Amino acid sequence: GAGVSQSPSNKVTEKGKDVELRCDPISGHTALYWYRQSLGQGLEFLIYFQGNSAPDKSGLPSDRFSAERTGGSVSTLTIQRTQQEDSAVYLCASSASGLGTYEQYFGPGTRLTVT
Amino acid sequence: TQLLEQSPQFLSIQEGENLTVYCNSSSVFSSLQWYRQEPGEGPVLLVTVVTGGEVKKLKRLTFQFGDARKDSSLHITAAQPGDTGLYLCAGETGANNLFFGTGTRLTVIP
Repeated sequence: GAGVSQSPSNKVTEKGKDVELRCDPISGHTALYWYRQSLGQGLEFLIYFQGNSAPDKSGLPSDRFSAERTGGSVSTLTIQRTQQEDSAVYLCASSASGLGTYEQYFGPGTRLTVT
Repeated sequence: TQLLEQSPQFLSIQEGENLTVYCNSSSVFSSLQWYRQEPGEGPVLLVTVVTGGEVKKLKRLTFQFGDARKDSSLHITAAQPGDTGLYLCAGETGANNLFFGTGTRLTVIP
């Protein structure tokens, strides 16, 4: 498909385990964003990648969270030593540019549940 | 830090009624976007407003950006069940990311 895809769609993990969430952006989009959404709430910005520039990590809530983007395309968000408060939907978005007036296209999200 | 407050948080109305959702902030934004999100899906962009005082219409939806570019409203005329969803405003400050509002969950009852 031509849209943003994320995997897995659902992930249940035990407290203390590490998880990796994957995002495949739209081909050719230079900007990629990760957000976190708690139940029915607004989106919390986590990290932003633009081309080959250093990522903006200002939204990461702790050093247990990290993300990388390989080859300017696929991105992986890693959460180490998961905690119950990490339970949320993690959304990825891509856009043609990092400028805010460009539309962000969102994936369906990964629902993470930490037991 | 939450920069954008939306009201109401929840809204349940009958089909055919009109409604307004508000998005307020003490910060100035270079642009503001409105998204709608349905269960199990990511948000989908409805509109982007850039100029203070700008009004944009999308069928039965009317979006307004405040003169000072700190607030915005979304007005829906003759709501339909298909309008049901989570409405999110998002402001861009020029730092290449969006700050999302708290969201308004709208339910339109047939």
